Amino acid sequence: KQEVTQIPAALSVPEGENLVLNCSFTDSAIYNLQWFRQDPGKGLTSLLLIQSSQREQTSGRLNASLDKSSGRSTLYIAASQPGDSATYLCAVGSGNTGKLIFGQGTTLQVKP
Amino acid sequence: DGGITQSPKYLFRKEGQNVTLSCEQNLNHDAMYWYRQDPGQGLRLIYYSQIVNDFQKGDIAEGYSVSREKKESFPLTVTSAQKNPTAFYLCASSIPGAAQGFRFGQGTRLTVV
Repeated sequence: KQEVTQIPAALSVPEGENLVLNCSFTDSAIYNLQWFRQDPGKGLTSLLLIQSSQREQTSGRLNASLDKSSGRSTLYIAASQPGDSATYLCAVGSGNTGKLIFGQGTTLQVKP
Repeated sequence: DGGITQSPKYLFRKEGQNVTLSCEQNLNHDAMYWYRQDPGQGLRLIYYSQIVNDFQKGDIAEGYSVSREKKESFPLTVTSAQKNPTAFYLCASSIPGAAQGFRFGQGTRLTVV
């Protein structure tokens, strides 16, 4: 059974710092991997989607990488801003049904 | 502009009651999903549907029921058999296998009183 783990559970950094969020998964036979952002009490917003055949995706200050062989993905946030404060969730798609298996999330606080 | 709408935003349930959470999308997505989120935890899949009039159980389906009579709608009923229903419920839709298009609603917070 696929299991997804995110470490750390919480992270606090000063504004302007570059940071990396980690996601690991137990079964390398994935269809895709997505990173989402969740603000308190809100739904999820998709940030980046990496297909199983891809190594990374970039959007603005965000870069996500995927290493299937080691069962790892990272989300790199450059020049962090207070507006980046949120919970970041990693989710693995196992098969073309579209089902996603989520990690527990990393709650990020960027201090001014 | 298309989207996915959940209602109500807040819902209170008395012990022994069934309640129904609404989820509607106008994105023309074939697949719809219901997830449950507990504090400090990730999302867990309750039910999903890839096509009208068909749905499958997810990892935590006990105490829940769904229907998919229309492509646009995927309501979730929390029955009295669900012993710990207090949680944040999220509905999502997608085009199975598509590179993009996994969209979430804004959630319904259910509280047992």
